[in-house]
Amino acid sequence: AQRVTQPEKLLSVFKGAPVELKCNYSYSGSPELFWYVQYSRQRLQLLLRHISRESIKGFTADLNKGETSFHLKKPFAQEEDSAMYYCALRVGGYNKLIFGAGTRLAVHP
Amino acid sequence: DGGITQSPKYLFRKEGQNVTLSCEQNLNHDAMYWYRQDPGQGLRLIYYSQIVNDFQKGDIAEGYSVSREKKESFPLTVTSAQKNPTAFYLCASSQDFNQPQHFGDGTRLSIL
Repeated sequence: AQRVTQPEKLLSVFKGAPVELKCNYSYSGSPELFWYVQYSRQRLQLLLRHISRESIKGFTADLNKGETSFHLKKPFAQEEDSAMYYCALRVGGYNKLIFGAGTRLAVHP
Repeated sequence: DGGITQSPKYLFRKEGQNVTLSCEQNLNHDAMYWYRQDPGQGLRLIYYSQIVNDFQKGDIAEGYSVSREKKESFPLTVTSAQKNPTAFYLCASSQDFNQPQHFGDGTRLSIL
């Protein structure tokens, strides 16, 4: 079955602390994974995709096929990172995205 | 991404009524999508369209219908056959099936 699991509904950290938002997937094909973010009162937007291997706003994510994971990491959290984060898996030839339930990141001063 | 406009932001429906949610994009994207989001769940795909005059069912198409008469428009109709229509609906578009999706602000539909 194709599935994306984000085990934490809420992750609460203090400013300057490291952050790791967990994402695990289940897919028999070659996975393509994304992280989307939704800041308060803003629309859902793409944060990064694994094939780009880039760092956006200090966030990175590495695809680990052995552990079927795509965890999102940032070494030093900022208050402006507080948002809802969704991990998504692209499957099929028509750009279908399967989303996890999301993790709310709260960064406290 | 101001290129995708969904309207209205809030919509109320009486039992037995059909309602249509609007989605317009000026990004010149070929592909468009409709998702539904329920509390505590991820987005689920309702319908998608690769090009004008073509659309396909997603995972939860029952009780919904769409049209794609123009490239920039992909309206979603929630019919009376949809048993549990109360949800948040998101429209997205992408340049093609290989490019990331861009999302609108969403429409929240409630049943009176």
